[in-house]
Amino acid sequence: KAGVTQTPRYLIKTRGQQVTLSCSPISGHRSVSWYQQTPGQGLQFLFEYFSETQRNKGNFPGRFSGRQFSNSRSEMNVSTLELGDSALYLCASSPGQENQPQHFGDGTRLSIL
Amino acid sequence: DAKTTQPTSMDCAEGRAANLPCNHSTISGNEYVYWYRQIHSQGPQYIIHGLKNNETNEMASLIITEDRKSSTLILPHATLRDTAVYYCIVRTVGAGANNLFFGTGTRLTVIP
Repeated sequence: KAGVTQTPRYLIKTRGQQVTLSCSPISGHRSVSWYQQTPGQGLQFLFEYFSETQRNKGNFPGRFSGRQFSNSRSEMNVSTLELGDSALYLCASSPGQENQPQHFGDGTRLSIL
Repeated sequence: DAKTTQPTSMDCAEGRAANLPCNHSTISGNEYVYWYRQIHSQGPQYIIHGLKNNETNEMASLIITEDRKSSTLILPHATLRDTAVYYCIVRTVGAGANNLFFGTGTRLTVIP
């Protein structure tokens, strides 16, 4: 079974631009969660989508948004990029029911110049 | 979700058992203990989880104390590939609670 796939693996942007990251979950998984990992703040939860609806949201500004498609694939968008948005962005999928672990992709490393 | 406390770092000799402790003294009855690890430049990898009984799978064993205030992840025969940061997470399970709160974890170094 293929794992969680994130594209692209690396991305370089400049301040003020916007970016879209993509995540393809494990086949059959309906929940997709996004996390940001930085050296200073560690791994932080951004939001979760289940059946095309945002089900949970972390404490990030509105510049961070996401969506999920009917095939469970998800995208995350960051607008008006800031230097502090440089991070590893991780996507995790799970079937979505109780007590089922999330499985992570290897992330997209975003660098802001 | 309850907070967890883990040692910052640990070493283990290759071939020996690695025992990684985690304290979660404020855990409540509907919270599970999850363990993940992250090898450099990769996403976190799910290892094991449990509620109150000890659990074992092909990767590791999870021992949870009777009062559930602490747990230990055991890698029975550590290899160099087990060098990673190990995260102990207490997770409330319920509708709409599908997010994980990662702490700083334990950096395990397996020494040849």
